[in-house]
Amino acid sequence: NAGVTQTPKFQVLKTGQSMTLQCAQDMNHEYMSWYRQDPGMGLRLIHYSVGAGITDQGEVPNGYNVSRSTTEDFPLRLLSAAPSQTSVYFCASSYSREGVETQYFGPGTRLLVL
Amino acid sequence: GQQVMQIPQYQHVQEGEDFTTYCNSSTTLSNIQWYKQRPGGHPVFLIQLVKSGEVKKQKRLTFQFGEAKKNSSLHITATQTTDVGTYFCAGRNSGYALNFGKGTSLLVTP
Repeated sequence: NAGVTQTPKFQVLKTGQSMTLQCAQDMNHEYMSWYRQDPGMGLRLIHYSVGAGITDQGEVPNGYNVSRSTTEDFPLRLLSAAPSQTSVYFCASSYSREGVETQYFGPGTRLLVL
Repeated sequence: GQQVMQIPQYQHVQEGEDFTTYCNSSTTLSNIQWYKQRPGGHPVFLIQLVKSGEVKKQKRLTFQFGEAKKNSSLHITATQTTDVGTYFCAGRNSGYALNFGKGTSLLVTP
């Protein structure tokens, strides 16, 4: 299994540009999430999905869209990039077994918005 | 909304010393998770605690969940240089969303 994969690893955007961060998992996990990590801020939840066709907002959803058409893929779209969206973005997938959840993170995408 | 506070922000220890990081929530949690992130890496799941007063051990790591399910701690006995990284707690109140603490960065010098 490749686990959780993210592309690209690095990206530089100009203010106003749009782009899609890709995330895929091959573990057949129901749950997937997008987080952003800023220095000294920990991880903040952007959007999450509890299954194909179902998405919901997290703590910081503004400026981002998601969709979940398949179990495997959970892309994050930046509609009009702003410097405040400069961050490291992590995708994660998780499963729950006997009441215990295990979450796996991807390697991250480092985004710089100029 | 729910907030998860984590202290200390930084900790510098000599190899062999013990280390503890604490996590406190403003609300009762249904469960709490702990993660480790090495510099430049991604968070790696360590453990989930669910029951009030639960204590779990992983080799030199001891995780505790408070009786009121509002606080948790991670204790590392006899730190090693391989323990370097940032340790995060993440609490869940209800629903799916996890709220992460800001993390404790551990530096271990030989």
